[in-house]
Amino acid sequence: KQEVTQIPAALSVPEGENLVLNCSFTDSAIYNLQWFRQDPGKGLTSLLLIQSSQREQTSGRLNASLDKSSGRSTLYIAASQPGDSATYLCAIRGSGGYQKVTFGTGTKLQVIP
Amino acid sequence: DGGITQSPKYLFRKEGQNVTLSCEQNLNHDAMYWYRQDPGQGLRLIYYSQIVNDFQKGDIAEGYSVSREKKESFPLTVTSAQKNPTAFYLCASIAAGDLSGNTIYFGEGSWLTVV
Repeated sequence: KQEVTQIPAALSVPEGENLVLNCSFTDSAIYNLQWFRQDPGKGLTSLLLIQSSQREQTSGRLNASLDKSSGRSTLYIAASQPGDSATYLCAIRGSGGYQKVTFGTGTKLQVIP
Repeated sequence: DGGITQSPKYLFRKEGQNVTLSCEQNLNHDAMYWYRQDPGQGLRLIYYSQIVNDFQKGDIAEGYSVSREKKESFPLTVTSAQKNPTAFYLCASIAAGDLSGNTIYFGEGSWLTVV
């Protein structure tokens, strides 16, 4: 059974700081890993998707990396802004059988002006 | 625009009552999922379906039921057997085909409260 862990559970940083969010998973047989943002009481918005054959993806101030051998992914946010405050979740799409999608518990980020 | 529509946004359930949450997508996606999210926690998989007329239990299926009679629709019924149904419910879908590159899309969620 795939288990996905995100550390830290919460993070508070001053505006302008660069930061890294971590995602660990136990089963390396994956199709892809996706990072999402969730604002309070809302659905999830996709940020970046890394296919199993890729090592990283970039979009604007965001960069996500994937290391399947160690079961880790990181989401790097450059020059953080108050608007980045949200909960960030990673999701693993498995490659076996029905390709279940398993989510991490999330990291709640607060960027202080 | 294409997307996933969940309804209702807010729903109140009385003790012993069954309620159904609607999920409709016009993205022509084959796979659909239902997740439950409790405050401050991650998403837990309830049920998922890869094709019409087929679905699989997720990690917390007890007290829930689904159907997949049409490709675009995947309703979730919260039965009276679910003893703690108060939560935020999210529906998602993914296209088939080039699986590794396909993004998961989510609806805006439904809040269910037991009164």
